[in-house]
Amino acid sequence: DTGVSQDPRHKITKRGQNVTFRCDPISEHNRLYWYRQTLGQGPEFLTYFQNEAQLEKSRLLSDRFSAERPKGSFSTLEIQRTEQGDSAMYLCASSFRVGQGTNTEAFFGQGTRLTVV
Amino acid sequence: AQRVTQPEKLLSVFKGAPVELKCNYSYSGSPELFWYVQYSRQRLQLLLRHISRESIKGFTADLNKGETSFHLKKPFAQEEDSAMYYCALKAGGYNKLIFGAGTRLAVHP
Repeated sequence: DTGVSQDPRHKITKRGQNVTFRCDPISEHNRLYWYRQTLGQGPEFLTYFQNEAQLEKSRLLSDRFSAERPKGSFSTLEIQRTEQGDSAMYLCASSFRVGQGTNTEAFFGQGTRLTVV
Repeated sequence: AQRVTQPEKLLSVFKGAPVELKCNYSYSGSPELFWYVQYSRQRLQLLLRHISRESIKGFTADLNKGETSFHLKKPFAQEEDSAMYYCALKAGGYNKLIFGAGTRLAVHP
């Protein structure tokens, strides 16, 4: 499978612990996105990178959340001091900016399901 | 406010019946709308986008700016169409998408 890959697929953690997720986008894609999806809802935008620059962060991304894309390739999303409300599916997507105002569709990974107990 | 509303959580039909999954949006600019589909145990994938004006797997969707709607239609549902369908609005120059809550389509034999 040469699509967007995410690791781990599932994570169970105790409240208060830190967790880190990894996303590997499609190799030539310069744009990367993180979304969060809770039960019964559609995905909600968290943040966006163009190459290594984080260009937008949602208000949903509290101070306990940090995302990086250090070399413009893979990205990590870290949650510090996890809370039960952080339990969700965390989705990564990538796309390619073809030119001014032109963008391929977003391709999604299979997600990391986080359960905070 | 930017919002996408899918009023039905579940749509249950028999094979061969017509299907319409509703989507309404709220957006101040020129909207760009998509339908994404998620089959069981698979990742979210693009089904169609309004600017393409294409039919994919027999599905079509027309953007109605007057009614701020982008309903997904198929004249004859198939069992393999059973999936979760999400309507999404592009809210930035890149793929910042605002999703609806989704509608589960169940097609019975």
